[in-house]
Amino acid sequence: NAGVTQTPKFRILKIGQSMTLQCTQDMNHNYMYWYRQDPGMGLKLIYYSVGAGITDKGEVPNGYNVSRSTTEDFPLRLELAAPSQTSVYFCASSYGTNSYEQYFGPGTRLTVT
Amino acid sequence: QQQVKQSPQSLIVQKGGISIINCAYENTAFDYFPWYQQFPGKGPALLIAIRPDVSEKKEGRFTISFNKSAKQFSLHIMDSQPGDSATYFCAAGSGNTGKLIFGQGTTLQVKP
Repeated sequence: NAGVTQTPKFRILKIGQSMTLQCTQDMNHNYMYWYRQDPGMGLKLIYYSVGAGITDKGEVPNGYNVSRSTTEDFPLRLELAAPSQTSVYFCASSYGTNSYEQYFGPGTRLTVT
Repeated sequence: QQQVKQSPQSLIVQKGGISIINCAYENTAFDYFPWYQQFPGKGPALLIAIRPDVSEKKEGRFTISFNKSAKQFSLHIMDSQPGDSATYFCAAGSGNTGKLIFGQGTTLQVKP
């Protein structure tokens, strides 16, 4: 199993550009999550999904969108990138239903200039 | 009320010493308290976790102590090793969504 994979690993965006961060898991997990990590701030939940077709906002959803058309994939869309979105983005997944253990991907480092 | 506060922000310990990281929470609905370990350039990975029905859980050199009345929990790393140098996050979760609220993180350096 590859676990949780994320692409790209690094990306530089100009202000106002858009992009999609890809996340795929091969563990047949129902639950998936997107976090951003900023220095000294821990991990903040952006969006999460408890199954295909079901998504909901986390703590910091503004400026982002998600979709979940399959169990495996959970892409994160950034529209009109802003410098405040410079961060490291992590995707995670879990079995759900009494299983809180989340498995994280390797992250995408995004810089918006 | 959804916050999890973690301290210290950074910690330096000599090899063989004990590392202690503390977390506090407000929401009494939390029912799962994990600790994640993150090495530079990697995603966090679950280290150890506890439910509020026990006061302590030990796995090898890692122990979680949980104080429900004080709404605090801590990670103790016994016989700390240079390989333990990493960032540690506490977290708290509740409900059926699996959502976790993370603390701010502690960067641990173990000196040889």
